[in-house]
Amino acid sequence: SAVISQKPSRDICQRGTSLTIQCQVDSQVTMMFWYRQQPGQSLTLIATANQGSEATYESGFVIDKFPISRPNLTFSTLTVSNMSPEDSSIYLCSVEIQGAGTGELFFGEGSRLTVL
Amino acid sequence: GESVGLHLPTLSVQEGDNSIINCAYSNSASDYFIWYKQESGKGPQFIIDIRSNMDKRQGQRVTVLLNKTVKHLSLQIAATQPGDSAVYFCAEKKGGGSYIPTFGRGTSLIVHP
Repeated sequence: SAVISQKPSRDICQRGTSLTIQCQVDSQVTMMFWYRQQPGQSLTLIATANQGSEATYESGFVIDKFPISRPNLTFSTLTVSNMSPEDSSIYLCSVEIQGAGTGELFFGEGSRLTVL
Repeated sequence: GESVGLHLPTLSVQEGDNSIINCAYSNSASDYFIWYKQESGKGPQFIIDIRSNMDKRQGQRVTVLLNKTVKHLSLQIAATQPGDSAVYFCAEKKGGGSYIPTFGRGTSLIVHP
């Protein structure tokens, strides 16, 4: 298993500002992902955070809006840029433990953003 | 495109009853299915999984059934407890070796004491 810590756990933000969410894992992991969960909805994959290279973004998500850093195997950040009320969501960091081979993901508690 | 979906958005049961949460999938190439539980204010937590070469798998108080003929997945919770109240998501693993699951819509399970 893995213990995943996200900061901030929640925040209220003003339109047009940017916020960076941090994700810290208690062990080295190869695969790290960022998901968005809009109110009452399921989880949508934003991108795969790649260590030492640019993140791999899913359709509908772009680097200018959601820049991601992955400086090492235990840490990643997701920035939500130029926020609008539509960006109000829970943002979740998740990891797959290397060697598990079964697709099981471990999730952080999430960062709940409200954009006014 | 192919997708994973759920039949019922909300399921209300009495404590002690058995609960059945259903999920339909359409990607016949999926080879792995997972159920997650998400309690209020928390991230999703793995419950149980099943591979496509199996029909049934049991865990502690939970059973997952897979019917590949009709592309249907279900999660059965025995003797449902108030602590089981949560949103349950099914997910399928994409074909081709990717370990990134695609999540279904979610069902909110409400257990009444």
